Amino acid sequence: AQTVTQSQPEMSVQEAETVTLSCTYDTSESNYYLFWYKQPPSRQMILVIRQEAYKQQNATENRFSVNFQKAAKSFSLKISDSQLGDTAMYFCAFSLTQGGSEKLVFGKGTKLTVNP
Amino acid sequence: NAGVMQNPRHLVRRRGQEARLRCSPMKGHSHVYWYRQLPEEGLKFMVYLQKENIIDESGMPKERFSAEFPKEGPSILRIQQVVRGDSAAYFCASSPDQPSTGEKLFFGSGTQLSVL
Repeated sequence: AQTVTQSQPEMSVQEAETVTLSCTYDTSESNYYLFWYKQPPSRQMILVIRQEAYKQQNATENRFSVNFQKAAKSFSLKISDSQLGDTAMYFCAFSLTQGGSEKLVFGKGTKLTVNP
Repeated sequence: NAGVMQNPRHLVRRRGQEARLRCSPMKGHSHVYWYRQLPEEGLKFMVYLQKENIIDESGMPKERFSAEFPKEGPSILRIQQVVRGDSAAYFCASSPDQPSTGEKLFFGSGTQLSVL
């Protein structure tokens, strides 16, 4: 099965603090990419960070970093120095190449609220 | 460079009517993907199209749903005889080439379809 599990439906954090969102996945692919997307109330899907599965080094983008554990199929997102604008739904996803196309498989999301 | 444009942003239909959702990809992008987001769920792949060709429709329901991406004009997702279960947000994404590996994949803001 090709699935993504986000075990935390909702989370909250105080402004300026650090929060970690969990994600585990299951895929039979040997080469794939992992993603975290942010979906604010505007509904726009915004790519936060991307990790190539064959790279051991964890990706970082400013205040956002991941902890990628390939053997455990775990891909958590850490947000440092949380800001009010980080309030959004966060979706974990991986790329699946199948049927002549590349598609993304998403989890159900974690609703993050940053409190002032 | 305008992003992926979807219209309408909101669409209300009564059961049995037809829904037509439009997606104009980013300039220079010839690959279009449609995803559906049911309430409280992540996005699920529906169909992948290139200009005038459906490449992968494995995620699209066999009945009532169709998609096209003509040589000129936007991509259209068409739902005939809508039912309440079709109520969802429908997202379009585009990329300049395939595979996109997510880096060059851009999403629109979606069309929220409500079926009364």
